[in-house]
Amino acid sequence: SQQGEEDPQALSIQEGENATMNCSYKTSINNLQWYRQNSGRGLVHLILIRSNEREKHSGRLRVTLDTSKKSSSLLITASRAADTASYFCATGSFMNRDDKIIFGKGTRLHILP
Amino acid sequence: KAGVTQTPRYLIKTRGQQVTLSCSPISGHRSVSWYQQTPGQGLQFLFEYFSETQRNKGNFPGRFSGRQFSNSRSEMNVSTLELGDSALYLCASTRPDSYEQYFGPGTRLTVT
Repeated sequence: SQQGEEDPQALSIQEGENATMNCSYKTSINNLQWYRQNSGRGLVHLILIRSNEREKHSGRLRVTLDTSKKSSSLLITASRAADTASYFCATGSFMNRDDKIIFGKGTRLHILP
Repeated sequence: KAGVTQTPRYLIKTRGQQVTLSCSPISGHRSVSWYQQTPGQGLQFLFEYFSETQRNKGNFPGRFSGRQFSNSRSEMNVSTLELGDSALYLCASTRPDSYEQYFGPGTRLTVT
């Protein structure tokens, strides 16, 4: 079963606006990652935030993590046409001796010109 | 450094046949994971191999199997193909001492 649930499922915004996507998860995690996928191709790693971190930045990306609410958000500032893609959160858990990375179903982001 | 490569990129098979997909990880990456992606189920974890051993397995039937070779290259095999196996199969290698995964472009399998 999926661990992460992204919200919204789809989002359309004007170029230049900010885009915010949310991810909720169910169990304890060691870290949370965000990935981008362009139209049915491989995923590209964007950013990893550890469970003891609250906020992380990378260029136009800002990720927050609230472990008490079991949620994370990805903010893309000053969006561009090239940001059109699906965005997935992936949670990393260390359970017993298994390291598992579980992906959500993604948010489809469409940047309008 | 070369990225993760997957072959073939596209494949059309008939129900009942079997298929083998190949994945070459980034040099130095010893962990290889396989995922199935469909519009309905999203990205689902199949299995992970590390140093030629299956370390983790998802909830897929025994028709789905894999292996890893000493050079870390991995193959996955699906036997007795069903229409529902049509999907994008993604392979990812994991950077050592990290959770960051690097994905290949995928193999698009169509079962008719």
